[in-house]
Amino acid sequence: AQTVTQSQPEMSVQEAETVTLSCTYDTSESNYYLFWYKQPPSRQMILVIRQEAYKQQNATENRFSVNFQKAAKSFSLKISDSQLGDTAMYFCAFMKQGSGNTPLVFGKGTRLSVIA
Amino acid sequence: DTGVSQNPRHKITKRGQNVTFRCDPISEHNRLYWYRQTLGQGPEFLTYFQNEAQLEKSRLLSDRFSAERPKGSFSTLEIQRTEQGDSAMYLCASSIGTGSKNIQYFGAGTRLSVL
Repeated sequence: AQTVTQSQPEMSVQEAETVTLSCTYDTSESNYYLFWYKQPPSRQMILVIRQEAYKQQNATENRFSVNFQKAAKSFSLKISDSQLGDTAMYFCAFMKQGSGNTPLVFGKGTRLSVIA
Repeated sequence: DTGVSQNPRHKITKRGQNVTFRCDPISEHNRLYWYRQTLGQGPEFLTYFQNEAQLEKSRLLSDRFSAERPKGSFSTLEIQRTEQGDSAMYLCASSIGTGSKNIQYFGAGTRLSVL
């Protein structure tokens, strides 16, 4: 079974600054995908960024980037130039590769507050 | 593409009552997932449909829970004889494709409160 650990229950950052959210995972799978989802208060969860485990290059999406360390099973999210709209719960998630049922396995989340 | 829609958004019920939630996935998405999210936790997988077939149920899904997806379109999740421990946010997600294209899109959820 896979597990995902987010060791920072809450974090805060000043507007325009950079913040890094941590995530580690445990799996015996060699092919899988990793995701960061954002859940704003009372709104639906949306995908922020994803990483294929077979790719060595770290994924980037505008102000969001990841530091993927496969050997260490670490997958951190860096948010640059933080904005007030980034305030949300952030969940790290794991999905094994396959054509059948591939549910997401989530961590407990990190609550990020961006302060003006 | 109107996204994944879930109804109702909130449901308050008394212990022992039955409740039913509905999920309308993104059209043409053949995969549909139900998750449960309790306070302070990440979502946990409950069950999975590929088209109309329910292919997997987690051990979290007790006999009081049943899910359907008639004709492979919308899905319903029913909880019979609700218990206070059923209070949670119930999330639905849909996706299409496999591998790196299998991105799950979530609805806003149904928050259940059992009194």
